[in-house]
Amino acid sequence: AQSVTQPDARVTVSEGASLQLRCKYSYSGTPYLFWYVQYPRQGLQLLLKYYSGDPVVQGVNGFEAEFIKSNSSFHLRKASVHWSDSAVYFCAVSITGNTGKLIFGLGTTLQVQP
Amino acid sequence: DPKIIQKPKYLVAVTGSEKILICEQYLGHNAMYWYRQSAKKPLEFMFSYSYQKLMDNQTASSRFQPQSSKKNHLDLQITALKPDDSATYFCASSWDNSDYTFGSGTRLLVI
Repeated sequence: AQSVTQPDARVTVSEGASLQLRCKYSYSGTPYLFWYVQYPRQGLQLLLKYYSGDPVVQGVNGFEAEFIKSNSSFHLRKASVHWSDSAVYFCAVSITGNTGKLIFGLGTTLQVQP
Repeated sequence: DPKIIQKPKYLVAVTGSEKILICEQYLGHNAMYWYRQSAKKPLEFMFSYSYQKLMDNQTASSRFQPQSSKKNHLDLQITALKPDDSATYFCASSWDNSDYTFGSGTRLLVI
C-alpha cells in the first residue's frame, strides 16, 4: 500500500538557519508529490509540487524540494527560515491516474525561534 | 476572496444527531474531495467526485454521505454522529486531479 513517512514530528530551528524537512514515500511507480503548509486554524496551502522533469522544484516563499527516485524521497528545503515559516508541513503523494486521492504524511511542526 | 467556501467553520453536535457540512468551490474545477483531519492521524481521504459523479469512496461507514446538488458543490452529510467523528473536515477541489486547492475546514465537535 502507498504511504508517506515524515520521520520528524517536530523541528526547531533558529531564524536565519537553513531547513530540511524529510519525506519518504512508498510507491513502486512514479508518483506526483506535494508539499503543503498549514498555519493555525487555516486550510492547507500548496508550497510546491513535482509531476515530472527537473527533480528540484521551486515553490513559494523560497522553498524547494528534490525528488530522489532511488531513495523514494522528496525532502523540503529552505536556505534561510523566517519566524513566519512556523507552521505544520505536510508531504503528500498522488498516484498517477488514480481518482484524485492524496496520501498524506503525519506532518512536521516547524518552530522557528527568533 | 476565498475560492473554496466551507460552512460552518465550527460546529458542535450532540451524539446521535445529523449534520451537513457545506462546500462550494469557485475555481471552475471539475473534481471535488473531502478529507478528514483527526488528532494524531494524517489527513484521511474520504471521497472524490468528478463531474458530480462519485469516483472513490474510502469511508467505511455509510453514515457519511456526500451530496452534489450542483457541479461546484459537494456537501457532506453525517448521520448518527459519534464522538469519534470529531475532527476537522476539509473540502478540496482540482482540475482533473492536479493542482488541488483546500478549503479552510469545518471543525466538528461531537459531545
